[in-house]
Amino acid sequence: SQQGEEDPQALSIQEGENATMNCSYKTSINNLQWYRQNSGRGLVHLILIRSNEREKHSGRLRVTLDTSKKSSSLLITASRAADTASYFCATGMPGGTSYGKLTFGQGTILTVHP
Amino acid sequence: GAVVSQHPSRVICKSGTSVKIECRSLDFQATTMFWYRQFPKKSLMLMATSNEGSKATYEQGVEKDKFLINHASLTLSTLTVTSAHPEDSSFYICSASPPRGRTSNEQFFGPGTRLTVL
Repeated sequence: SQQGEEDPQALSIQEGENATMNCSYKTSINNLQWYRQNSGRGLVHLILIRSNEREKHSGRLRVTLDTSKKSSSLLITASRAADTASYFCATGMPGGTSYGKLTFGQGTILTVHP
Repeated sequence: GAVVSQHPSRVICKSGTSVKIECRSLDFQATTMFWYRQFPKKSLMLMATSNEGSKATYEQGVEKDKFLINHASLTLSTLTVTSAHPEDSSFYICSASPPRGRTSNEQFFGPGTRLTVL
């Protein structure tokens, strides 16, 4: 079942602004990952944060994880028109029958206007 | 590295026919592959987990006889949509997980296959 919920569902900003997307989940996780998907294309892995980590950076991306609140956020700084895409969070489960699986959130559609 | 391909990228078929979609890991061996389905502007829904040399594990609500999965080698998994109907039209995405990747939920995604059933 899909346990991730993301907000906002859609975000429209101007180039140069920062974009923040949030993801909430319900069960214990092994890690949380963020993916990007351009329209009609496959997924591109952006960043993975483990359950014992609180913050991670990669270029213009900053991800935070709060396991007490079961939530994560993705911040894209100094956005560009090329960042326009759908962004998904995905949670990796610790084990058992969900071993190796990812459960995806509903996604945020980001539009960056030039 | 870690490239996953899918073939075909697009397929249009008539209702009642069967369609096979291939997923290949090009530069690594994948003991596990996953098949997802995605509706327009929606999230990815896991359909099944495909393990090399054994039967696939299907998620609740996914018809095993409708969506046949075969993982014949460490680099190839196939999804066959049998007796396709218009409601099967969707975007199908596969992912592959290297042996070391299961503990970290590491998956590499293919580019997807757009299936349209007329």
